[in-house]
Amino acid sequence: SYELTQPPSVSVSPGQTASITCSGDKLGDKYVCWYQQKPGQSPVLVIYQDTKRPSGIPERFSGSNSGNTATLTISGTQAMEEADYYCQAWASGTGVFGGGTKLTVL
Amino acid sequence: EVQLVESGGGLVQPGGSLRLSCAASRFTFSNYWMSWVRQAPGKGLEWVANIKPDGSEIHYVDSVKGRFFISRDNAKNSLYLQMNSLRVEDTAVYFCVRQDWGSWAFDIWGQGTVGIVSS
Repeated sequence: SYELTQPPSVSVSPGQTASITCSGDKLGDKYVCWYQQKPGQSPVLVIYQDTKRPSGIPERFSGSNSGNTATLTISGTQAMEEADYYCQAWASGTGVFGGGTKLTVL
Repeated sequence: EVQLVESGGGLVQPGGSLRLSCAASRFTFSNYWMSWVRQAPGKGLEWVANIKPDGSEIHYVDSVKGRFFISRDNAKNSLYLQMNSLRVEDTAVYFCVRQDWGSWAFDIWGQGTVGIVSS
């Protein structure tokens, strides 16, 4: 079965740029989505089709996908962005999530 | 506001069954693929199953095949998940999720319902 791998944790200072990676075999051939989940809340879509932002998501969220790695980038990271982030793709008609990355803003 | 509201969670013994429901509102439910996604306590997200708008195509994660059954009633704007032969490892929050029409991104999530499998 297809697997997506994320680092368990990433730390960033306020105002700096955070990058969260997601790796999978030939991931660049698939569309990747990213979800933000804060404690006790449902996930929220922040990036879809590798690079697109849903309405209401700040411009500081961006995405890329090439080769075997997709990346979520948060520019000028704010304290409110401290959360768990999950990448997700479709493989053979089934959904696959990465294991999640805890972003700490300190 | 577009909304998904789950219900039906609870405590059940191993080997037992639960039927989850999801009520959709303020969008044309019959136009969308729908999914169930679960999250075990302290763990990550796991996609469970999805169903085509007309119900003619269904997919499951391997770990639930033959035990869980997804269905929908477009006339009632409702999605269901029948969970049989439940195992302790099925304990999770179960989210009802809409797949965006064009991108298949999970664009609308319910608040989740908790299913606990324990003796």
